Amino acid sequence: EVQLAESGGGVVQPGGSLRLSCIVSGVTFDDYAVHWVRQAPGKGLEWVSGITWNSRGIGYADSVKGRFTISRDNAKNSLFLQMNSLRPDDTAFYFCAKGHDSTVTAHFDAWGQGTLVTVSS
Amino acid sequence: DIQMTQSPSTLSASVGDRVTITCRASHYISTWLAWYQQKPGKAPKLLIYKASTLESGVPSRFSGSGSGSEFTLTISSLQPDDFTTYYCQQYNDYPYTFGQGTKLEIK
Repeated sequence: EVQLAESGGGVVQPGGSLRLSCIVSGVTFDDYAVHWVRQAPGKGLEWVSGITWNSRGIGYADSVKGRFTISRDNAKNSLFLQMNSLRPDDTAFYFCAKGHDSTVTAHFDAWGQGTLVTVSS
Repeated sequence: DIQMTQSPSTLSASVGDRVTITCRASHYISTWLAWYQQKPGKAPKLLIYKASTLESGVPSRFSGSGSGSEFTLTISSLQPDDFTTYYCQQYNDYPYTFGQGTKLEIK
């Protein structure tokens, strides 16, 4: 059974940085693209960033481009999100999600439970 | 970027009803569309992918249709467990985008 487990959330001041991690188990990690999706409290889903199996296909939402960096370590079955210059509107639950295959055009067939990032002074 | 317009934002219905949720893409996305169900405090769950393919284990009362830029999710006979929130998502290309969600309420 595939499992995704996020960590690294917490409270950070505006302008600060945070690094999220997601460990994926139960599948061959480097067979799949993986993504970050966020959800502000009481709001809808927003795709944040995605990365293909070989890290050659990377994309970002306009709202985080230039501030967030996605990466992966296939040897450690891990996905990361480095978040810099954080703003109050980045406050959200951050989910990692597994793509159905290794490519860009893949739906999300498994999700973690999310980690909460709160940006506040 | 591709915008996804989902309607209605709220839908009131009764157990046993047939309901339809619509999602429109601002650009052509072929059939690169998924539908997710999300219950409060939980991660989203995949229902339909490639516009009309039912995910394994999802009840057959859920169905999807459409291609190009207009898509629908239909629930043929609502069950009590179905009253929650639904999202469409395009994955034609980066940046992926979600619809704003449809909250299905008990009438």
